[in-house]
Amino acid sequence: GAGVSQSPRYKVAKRGQDVALRCDPISGHVSLFWYQQALGQGPEFLTYFQNEAQLDKSGLPSDRFFAERPEGSVSTLKIQRTQQEDSAVYLCASSLEGFNQPQHFGDGTRLSIL
Amino acid sequence: AQKITQTQPGMFVQEKEAVTLDCTYDTSDPSYGLFWYKQPSSGEMIFLIYQGSYDQQNATEGRYSLNFQKARKSANLVISASQLGDSAMYFCAMNRRGSQGNLIFGKGTKLSVKP
Repeated sequence: GAGVSQSPRYKVAKRGQDVALRCDPISGHVSLFWYQQALGQGPEFLTYFQNEAQLDKSGLPSDRFFAERPEGSVSTLKIQRTQQEDSAVYLCASSLEGFNQPQHFGDGTRLSIL
Repeated sequence: AQKITQTQPGMFVQEKEAVTLDCTYDTSDPSYGLFWYKQPSSGEMIFLIYQGSYDQQNATEGRYSLNFQKARKSANLVISASQLGDSAMYFCAMNRRGSQGNLIFGKGTKLSVKP
């Protein structure tokens, strides 16, 4: 399909394990965003890439969270030493360049930490 | 600091009627964008409509229109002729020129369409 693709759709991990979440944006989209959505809340910004450059990581909650987009396309969000409070839906979005461009979201990865 | 407020946790509407979902925002920036997204129970976020702060006309997209009142800092979403498939969470969001474009979201309104 032509939309944003995220995998896995669901991830269950034990506390302390590392996890990696993948995002494949829409082809040609320069901008890529990661958001975290807690149950019953709106998404909250985590980090932003323009091509391969990570221009804003101010929303990452701790140094356990790391994101990369090495070739300016697929991005991976990694969480090390997971904690229960990391349980949430992680949404990836991509857009054309420009602050008035709508962001197109993937279906998200629902992460549950036991 | 920027903030989005959605005061209606839940709304009901009869099928085929119109409904207005409220959104107020707070920003000191003169240039910003306002977005509405729909999130069905399946989880995907679907872009509905966009309004720029300097746009003279209220945005419309099919059955969706945005009632933009800049002086009141409100950007209400109007859905006309509601359908059962409109039942979902609706989020208002904003960004601002000069930022990286990351969106600030409200807490959402759950819309239920009754047959």
